[in-house]
Amino acid sequence: SYELTQPLSVSVALGQTARITCGGNNIGNKNVHWYQQKPGQAPVLVIYRDSNRPSGIPERFSGSNSGSTATLTISRAQAGDEADYYCQMWDSSIFVFGTGTKVTVL
Amino acid sequence: QVPLQESGPGLVKPSETLSLTCTVSGYSISSGYYWGWIRQPPGKGLEWIGSIYHSGSTYYNPSLKSRVTISVDTSKNQFSLKLTSVTAAETAVYYCARPAAAAPDAFDIWGQGTMVTVSS
Repeated sequence: SYELTQPLSVSVALGQTARITCGGNNIGNKNVHWYQQKPGQAPVLVIYRDSNRPSGIPERFSGSNSGSTATLTISRAQAGDEADYYCQMWDSSIFVFGTGTKVTVL
Repeated sequence: QVPLQESGPGLVKPSETLSLTCTVSGYSISSGYYWGWIRQPPGKGLEWIGSIYHSGSTYYNPSLKSRVTISVDTSKNQFSLKLTSVTAAETAVYYCARPAAAAPDAFDIWGQGTMVTVSS
């Protein structure tokens, strides 16, 4: 089965840029989506199909996908961005979630 | 009005069947989409369980396929999950979710989740 690998944690200074990676075999050929999840809350879609932002998501969130790595970038990080982030894709009629990354804003 | 609302027992005994229902508000299940169930054990990541179309067509996580049944009741605008022979490791928050209109392979509307504990 397909696996998506993320770093366990990423730290970023307030106002700086955080990059969260999602690795998978030829992931660049797939559509990758990203979710933000804060404690005690349901996940929120922040990027769909590699680089598209749903309505209401700040422009500070962006995404890219190429080769074997998809990346979620959070620019000008704010305290409110501190959360768990998950990548996700659909492959052969199966939804696959990444292992998740905890983002800490210092 | 919450667009998606999970309901069902919060406590299930080991080896028994977990049953949950997702009630959809503000949108007709019959209009389309593959509606999904996802779970998250405490302190762990997200796991997709399965999805169902309004016609009843289903996709299941291969690791759970032998124990999972997802069904739909369009007259009640609900879809349901049954998971048999549960173990303590399946204690989790269970979410129902709707795919995004712009990307049916992503979920943009989630229920608030319901905690299910498997314990005797």
